[in-house]
Amino acid sequence: GENVEQHPSTLSVQEGDSAVIKCTYSDSASNYFPWYKQELGKRPQLIIDIRSNVGEKKDQRIAVTLNKTAKHFSLHITETQPEDSAVYFCAARYTGNQFYFGTGTSLTVIP
Amino acid sequence: KAGVTQTPRYLIKTRGQQVTLSCSPISGHRSVSWYQQTPGQGLQFLFEYFSETQRNKGNFPGRFSGRQFSNSRSEMNVSTLELGDSALYLCASSMGQSNTEAFFGQGTRLTVV
Repeated sequence: GENVEQHPSTLSVQEGDSAVIKCTYSDSASNYFPWYKQELGKRPQLIIDIRSNVGEKKDQRIAVTLNKTAKHFSLHITETQPEDSAVYFCAARYTGNQFYFGTGTSLTVIP
Repeated sequence: KAGVTQTPRYLIKTRGQQVTLSCSPISGHRSVSWYQQTPGQGLQFLFEYFSETQRNKGNFPGRFSGRQFSNSRSEMNVSTLELGDSALYLCASSMGQSNTEAFFGQGTRLTVV
């Protein structure tokens, strides 16, 4: 099966700085990689995703990069704001609607 | 368009009991997956249903089962509850084809006492 590793587990940044979260996956057949943001007590929310035929995708302050050869993908948040504070999960689709999730990164943006 | 709806939101059960959780996917979505979220283990895949058939299954004991109805609504059942089953149970719905997004419900918080 798939195995997804995520680093770091916790991350603190000053407001306005950038945050980077990295994930690696093991199954070369994985072709879809979403990122979810989960605020305390709430459901995971899809914030951005990338498919294996694309190397980079950007949506305002959020970007994701994918290196298929190295089997890793990263989330980049620029100009961080306090409302970006949450737990972020990366995931890799194994098959169908089955995802393997990273263990999460707790991001704190310090005002 | 309504989002993914899970009921109930909170549940308290005692050891040995059984419980049924419900998930109504986004209209038009045919795939429902279930996940268990705990602080120590993160998000763990339970199983996926697509067009009323279990398509994939994770590494959970047989006490965990599910089904899907013709309207794509899904139920998850846990029998002979154990303390360790206390968790947030999330379902995610998607169209079911490769490369399509999955959206989560708000979850059911199950506490076993």
